[in-house]
Amino acid sequence: QKEVEQNSGPLSVPEGAIASLNCTYSDRGSQSFFWYRQYSGKSPELIMSIYSNGDKEDGRFTAQLNKASQYVSLLIRDSQPSDSATYLCAVSESENTGTASKLTFGTGTRLQVTL
Amino acid sequence: EAGVAQSPRYKIIEKRQSVAFWCNPISGHATLYWYQQILGQGPKLLIQFQNNGVVDDSQLPKDRFSAERLKGVDSTLKIQPAKLEDSAVYLCASSFGGPYGYTFGSGTRLTVV
Repeated sequence: QKEVEQNSGPLSVPEGAIASLNCTYSDRGSQSFFWYRQYSGKSPELIMSIYSNGDKEDGRFTAQLNKASQYVSLLIRDSQPSDSATYLCAVSESENTGTASKLTFGTGTRLQVTL
Repeated sequence: EAGVAQSPRYKIIEKRQSVAFWCNPISGHATLYWYQQILGQGPKLLIQFQNNGVVDDSQLPKDRFSAERLKGVDSTLKIQPAKLEDSAVYLCASSFGGPYGYTFGSGTRLTVV
């Protein structure tokens, strides 16, 4: 059974701080990694994808991948109250091919940004 | 670009009744997924279609759940008979192809009483 592990939280950070969210995965064959944000009562929304070891930055978000250690992280700089949500880590076996592969999700980490 | 459409948004049924959910993916997306998300958990894949063929249904409880995707576009997911533990949000997602992540629909929240 392929697993994706996340700390369920809540992770509480003050406004303006850096929030650090972590995820580990069991399948060494995983090739693609995603972070989804899910507001309460809403569906997941894709915010970041990463495929290679290292960092990938997009605005206030930075995804980090270390395949040797089998972990993925998401950093949110200058956290805002609107960032309060559950963050889901998802992994896929698929490389850059035409056939879509299923995503396996973690249970999510609930982030609370306090004023 | 229109998103993934799902209906109904909410459904309350009694146990042992049947229920059906409908999904219309983003135009041109060949791959369609149904996920079940129980409160406090991450989404769990029930079934994956590539066009109108099933790619993965290994976690679909086939004694009570069924799904079809006619003509490779719309899809329906049915539960018959429903159990209390089927209470969850049923999410439909679609993908053009490759490991680019999905677009989810707004989901159907099912409550079985």
